[in-house]
Amino acid sequence: LAKTTQPISMDSYEGQEVNITCSHNNIATNDYITWYQQFPSQGPRFIIQGYKTKVTNEVASLFIPADRKSSTLSLPRVSLSDTAVYYCLVGLHISNFGNEKLTFGTGTRLTIIP
Amino acid sequence: DAGVTQSPTHLIKTRGQQVTLRCSPISGHKSVSWYQQVLGQGPQFIFQYYEKEERGRGNFPDRFSARQFPNYSSELNVNALLLGDSALYLCASSQHWTGQSYEQYFGPGTRLTVT
Repeated sequence: LAKTTQPISMDSYEGQEVNITCSHNNIATNDYITWYQQFPSQGPRFIIQGYKTKVTNEVASLFIPADRKSSTLSLPRVSLSDTAVYYCLVGLHISNFGNEKLTFGTGTRLTIIP
Repeated sequence: DAGVTQSPTHLIKTRGQQVTLRCSPISGHKSVSWYQQVLGQGPQFIFQYYEKEERGRGNFPDRFSARQFPNYSSELNVNALLLGDSALYLCASSQHWTGQSYEQYFGPGTRLTVT
């Protein structure tokens, strides 16, 4: 599984847009990019997944440049409830199903300030 | 629909004891994975089961074992507990893939404390 690098922590004010960037220089051709959110004492929660260009859902957008060596999770107009740890993972392609050793890094601790 | 459920919520054991943790996946999900999350770190993969067969194993000692039952629920067993086994143990379920990728749904975890 491709190694990922994220900032350890970030702070932002309520109402702002937050962008968290993840580096994955060794991403393989078939790898997908997935982001999870985790609140204290809870299991991680799937946020968004993408392969290339841009993906948007009701909670976030994921921007992936053409070389796919990085990705940016964008959270629009954050609120206090968005304070959590955000994990970037690479892999999870159908061809790896069953052999996937889902690997989380240390994640990015996002703190939203009132 | 109910999400992934795990039991017990909390557990306190002493060194050398054995523990069994239980997980029920989302209805219709056939894959269950187990993770260990030590305080301040991301979850670390332990096992994945699909259709009652082990499909993946992380870098954990043989003291860790698991199984999946015909109803797709799963148990994680840890023998000869060490202090370092204290962690949040997470279970995640997923369907056999849809489209070209799949997402995992995590349960709330079991907090294990070894004294």
